[in-house]
Amino acid sequence: GAGVSQSPSNKVTEKGKDVELRCDPISGHTALYWYRQSLGQGLEFLIYFQGNSAPDKSGLPSDRFSAERTGGSVSTLTIQRTQQEDSAVYLCASSPISGAWANVLTFGAGSRLTVL
Amino acid sequence: GIQVEQSPPDLILQEGANSTLRCNFSDSVNNLQWFHQNPWGQLINLFYIPSGTKQNGRLSATTVATERYSLLYISSSQTTDSGVYFCAVANNNDMRFGAGTRLTVKP
Repeated sequence: GAGVSQSPSNKVTEKGKDVELRCDPISGHTALYWYRQSLGQGLEFLIYFQGNSAPDKSGLPSDRFSAERTGGSVSTLTIQRTQQEDSAVYLCASSPISGAWANVLTFGAGSRLTVL
Repeated sequence: GIQVEQSPPDLILQEGANSTLRCNFSDSVNNLQWFHQNPWGQLINLFYIPSGTKQNGRLSATTVATERYSLLYISSSQTTDSGVYFCAVANNNDMRFGAGTRLTVKP
């Protein structure tokens, strides 16, 4: 696609429910990042995917968080047993790893998660 | 991991004024980018600048990699420049963001 697409744009859920957030990166971008941004705060790194390499999961805050990337394209971030502190905007970015725009991140519009 | 510090945390300018935003980082990097987050939350890449100087219109940026800092210059500021400016760095794959500088430009 023309840009990084994230869905849903807004999600309201009850504490304890599981949620799935989706990211569709720019076609041909082999690197994909997930970040979390709480209200008025900076971006917190969650996970990084690069091609078929093992993902860098060092930023995932707990074992309730997981992410996968199928076929090197679409990625899904799953949060199990959501807690109120999970409320934030979840941002996805992608980048190519070669060419004139190598390593330049393009962000999606984000998925705003509210846990009641 | 790399620590990223941005200053000032907040900046209020009158339209037409110039400003300098700073980003310090704790380790050598092979990737440094500046982003603008508009009031609606969208992040836009301004510069990819692991070293050297670049200019784009009223914006320019300089990174001195050996001294571990980068500067973003905004000249003749406009109200549309308002938002949060983030610096992000990496020395392998994972881009780490600073806390940002919140800029408000008043008419």
